[in-house]
This record gives sequence, structure tokens and C-alpha cells, in this order.
Amino acid sequence: GAGVSQSPSNKVTEKGKDVELRCDPISGHTALYWYRQSLGQGLEFLIYFQGNSAPDKSGLPSDRFSAERTGGSVSTLTIQRTQQEDSAVYLCASSQRSGGNTGELFFGEGSRLTVL
Amino acid sequence: EDQVTQSPEALRLQEGESSSLNCSYTVSGLRGLFWYRQDPGKGPEFLFTLYSAGEEKEKERLKATLTKKESFLHITAPKPEDSATYLCAVQASGGSNYKLTFGKGTLLTVNP
Repeated sequence: GAGVSQSPSNKVTEKGKDVELRCDPISGHTALYWYRQSLGQGLEFLIYFQGNSAPDKSGLPSDRFSAERTGGSVSTLTIQRTQQEDSAVYLCASSQRSGGNTGELFFGEGSRLTVL
Repeated sequence: EDQVTQSPEALRLQEGESSSLNCSYTVSGLRGLFWYRQDPGKGPEFLFTLYSAGEEKEKERLKATLTKKESFLHITAPKPEDSATYLCAVQASGGSNYKLTFGKGTLLTVNP
């Protein structure tokens, strides 16, 4: 079946503009994660959604970042007033269960954001 | 705060030359330790989950082992197609136990 789909794959924007990144998880996966991967850095947790529960937004680096998940499926990560330090690859992952004995996350190919 | 440190940052091997990658971790109660493989321009791909010290998992030329403080990914007789970045991650027990904390990875290059 289809894997996790992310769009756009590449986005170049000017400093100060808003951007939206989209993630379509694997059908039936209730957990959805956003991570950020900067050059030379490990994956940085941003936000987590599980079913209809309130999301864990503890990893969002500033109030310019927000995310939503509609209908328990597609998620959108929005970055307002982009800054050059926001340049990174934004990875979305989904899994069948949260916590428990999982840890097997299925990642998309990422959205590479470049802020000029 | 959970921490994961991977070494070396980069490793270059000749085809057939076996070696090991290290992942040291600090976590307040380990639920699981995970290894992922990441190819350039792709998202990480799951390899193994280890739950307790002494556990081992194997897949083709890869074997992962776990102690109370670190994990090793052993690569036996590697081939050029094993070239990738290998990521280690931990999941803590209790609290926000759905989060995976990742290391920065080891970039493995296998030359023919």
C-alpha cells in the first residue's frame, strides 16, 4: 500500500513569508509525528497527534509554528513569518499505535524548506 | 532529559570489512531502543527494536545488541548497498512514552 506522503518535496521561500507543509499518513495509522532534521543535527521532535486526543505540541520551537490534523488523517504544519533558521527538512511519520511496544515509525520522504 | 550519542560520526569501510557502530544513551527508564537507516533524500527506514539488555536482533548483514548504557550495530562483510546514515533512537517509559529521541547518526560509506 501507499506510504506516508508529504508535499511539497521542496519549498523555497523568502524570509517573512508563511509556508504550509502537508502530510498524508498511512491509512489506519492513528499516531502522527512531525520531526525536523537540520544539517548535521539529529531529528528534532516537533509535535505528536494521537487519534482525537489533544496533540503534544511541546517540541514546537516558537509560536510561529502550528500544526493541525483534520479528521484524524491529513496533517498540515504551518510556519508563519519564516526565518532563515527554519531552513531544514521537515519529516512526517505515522504509526499504528502510540507508545506501547512500538517505535516503528513510517516516515515520509520529507519536505525540504529553504528560507532565503 | 533523554540523550543519544552516536559514534563515529562517519565511517568508511572497504567491501567485506566488518565493523561496529555505537549508540550511547541516557534515559529515565528505557522502553525501547531503535535503529533506523536513512538514505540520502529519503526518510528514515525502521530496522530493529531492542527492549532489554542482552537482547540481539539480526537482519541480513546487520546485528544489533543492547546493554544498559549502549547499543551496537554490527555490520558483517558489508556491501556498497549498505552505505547510508544509521540512526539510533530511544523511547522512554512512562510520561511522553510515544516520543523517540534520535542521535545525529553515523554516515557509513562502503567502498567496492
